[in-house]
Amino acid sequence: DVKVTQSSRYLVKRTGEKVFLECVQDMDHENMFWYRQDPGLGLRLIYFSYDVKMKEKGDIPEGYSVSREKKERFSLILESASTNQTSMYLCASSPPGRRNYGYTFGSGTRLTVV
Amino acid sequence: AQSVTQLDSHVSVSEGTPVLLRCNYSSSYSPSLFWYVQHPNKGLQLLLKYTSAATLVKGINGFEAEFKKSETSFHLTKPSAHMSDAAEYFCVVLVGAGGFKTIFGAGTRLFVKA
Repeated sequence: DVKVTQSSRYLVKRTGEKVFLECVQDMDHENMFWYRQDPGLGLRLIYFSYDVKMKEKGDIPEGYSVSREKKERFSLILESASTNQTSMYLCASSPPGRRNYGYTFGSGTRLTVV
Repeated sequence: AQSVTQLDSHVSVSEGTPVLLRCNYSSSYSPSLFWYVQHPNKGLQLLLKYTSAATLVKGINGFEAEFKKSETSFHLTKPSAHMSDAAEYFCVVLVGAGGFKTIFGAGTRLFVKA
């Protein structure tokens, strides 16, 4: 069964900490995405990557960075966590050139910044 | 401009009765359309997709959706609701040549009464 795995289900971090959210997929997908989900705001795209070492800003990249050193792994980095980054973070992947395939999502990481 | 509108934020049905979750879209391109389901504290799971083939699309768990170009709609239906269908449902449109412009609807929360 194909999978997107997010390393943590729940995280609590302090303001100012550097936070790493990890996502691994076992489907050999080129495309990977990071979203955040907030009540009333829906899903918003933070960053995406269509190849190793490639990244593109999404709609709300401020305060975040990403790393894609290996095809299967896409990391989201909060350089200095703030309380307004408390949210549910969802990772997704999809194969290339088959944009109609749809995304496979991970189970999400609920991050609380205190 | 591309957009997707889920017409109901909440829908409540009794177990065994039909489900209708409404979605309208706006797209300058021929769209790809998807429905995803999200159970509490979980990631999103693909229910079904429309990719310019048959206009009536069947998905998992007995759900189906019909693409109506003239009405710019892609409503999700199920003949008989089950308690396990209680979740949030997202209508998604994928636009653009690269397939990276993904627009999520705000979501419809489905309640199923015993």
